[in-house]
Amino acid sequence: DTEVTQTPKHLVMGMTNKKSLKCEQHMGHRAMYWYKQKAKKPPELMFVYSYEKLSINESVPSRFSPECPNSSLLNLHLHALQPEDSALYLCASSHLGEEWQPQHFGDGTRLSIL
Amino acid sequence: AQKITQTQPGMFVQEKEAVTLDCTYDTSDPSYGLFWYKQPSSGEMIFLIYQGSYDQQNATEGRYSLNFQKARKSANLVISASQLGDSAMYFCAMRGTYNFNKFYFGSGTKLNVKP
Repeated sequence: DTEVTQTPKHLVMGMTNKKSLKCEQHMGHRAMYWYKQKAKKPPELMFVYSYEKLSINESVPSRFSPECPNSSLLNLHLHALQPEDSALYLCASSHLGEEWQPQHFGDGTRLSIL
Repeated sequence: AQKITQTQPGMFVQEKEAVTLDCTYDTSDPSYGLFWYKQPSSGEMIFLIYQGSYDQQNATEGRYSLNFQKARKSANLVISASQLGDSAMYFCAMRGTYNFNKFYFGSGTKLNVKP
């Protein structure tokens, strides 16, 4: 079992729908991440939250809207997505300030845009 | 800038044999961490092993070991006694001191273990 929990595991949505991806961790990590991953490619960083504040936005389109309600939760709100947004979305968390600390990943949400 | 290079898109290994997956990196950070992750077809990213830039000894975790050559900027993963369940994508990643918010990933190596 992973220590980072993502829901839902699978999501199919139309281009006009609004949905949210959720991520939760209880490891006391103060950094949380969203990644997008296409098949056979490495994860692409989208957003980083440090101490519940957005610290990195990798020029992600505004149809993706992250939210960090508290130190354990991370959401990704989706609206008006495009077919090319179909991918595996991975959440991760880590300790801050120590380069020897790994990221811990959730199992991901497989998103399909119709 | 940080860069991770994995030059082997795909590898085959016979079950029970050892295999080495290559990773080279480039960084100007004075200290950094190097990580290997395994991603089965089911999608989860599994942390395997870590090597610190100041560590004198190579890291080991069960059947996984990291062949760290700092002067050559390489951090190769060695899997001993391969098992069918080792078939997966393997990613090398790095995190540095200057921008410790970010992890940099290589392009990955797809390992196939043959029975």
